Amino acid sequence: ETAVFQTPNYHVTQVGNEVSFNCKQTLGHDTMYWYKQDSKKLLKIMFSYNNKQLIVNETVPRRFSPQSSDKAHLNLRIKSVEPEDSAVYLCASSRTGGNQDTQYFGPGTRLLVL
Amino acid sequence: AQSVTQPDARVTVSEGASLQLRCKYSYFGTPYLFWYVQYPRQGLQLLLKYYPGDPVVQGVNGFEAEFSKSNSSFHLRKASVHWSDWAVYFCAVHQGGRALIFGTGTTVSVSP
Repeated sequence: ETAVFQTPNYHVTQVGNEVSFNCKQTLGHDTMYWYKQDSKKLLKIMFSYNNKQLIVNETVPRRFSPQSSDKAHLNLRIKSVEPEDSAVYLCASSRTGGNQDTQYFGPGTRLLVL
Repeated sequence: AQSVTQPDARVTVSEGASLQLRCKYSYFGTPYLFWYVQYPRQGLQLLLKYYPGDPVVQGVNGFEAEFSKSNSSFHLRKASVHWSDWAVYFCAVHQGGRALIFGTGTTVSVSP
């Protein structure tokens, strides 16, 4: 099966903890993304990454960092979570990152910070 | 700056009736536009996408969209709605630098 896979589905943690979310794509794509979807369902790009370049949305706090071992994986680490980090984190991938490319999304990881 | 506006937060439609979801974009240059659907507790799935060319784009599950440069619009349509179309629909434009800019979404509820 070719798709974008995310783990865990759901994570509950306390303020100040570190969390890490995994994303893997089996589509053979070169570019991967992390988006944040808040409680009002607003979607905002956080990072886009291929083997050449990381592009960071300048509004993303420094406690967030992407981690990639190869072009099929792009994990997301949050060093010390805050209550406002509660959201759904969606991973996506596309073939090259060009304007015409379709982005394929995973099912999301829902984070709740207590 | 590039942006996407979906003016309707929620639309309720009867099963079998037609549906139109509005999308207005702001973009300098040639826009590449997308409609995605999000079912409850799932990720986003592509319905259709627009490349410069034919302004009417056919998508999956009977959806189509029409691009209008003069109106800066990319409205989504379906002739006959099914209960399974109950979902949130997002319009998006490719920002360049790879990211998609999404509208705020329109929730479609289907009544029997």
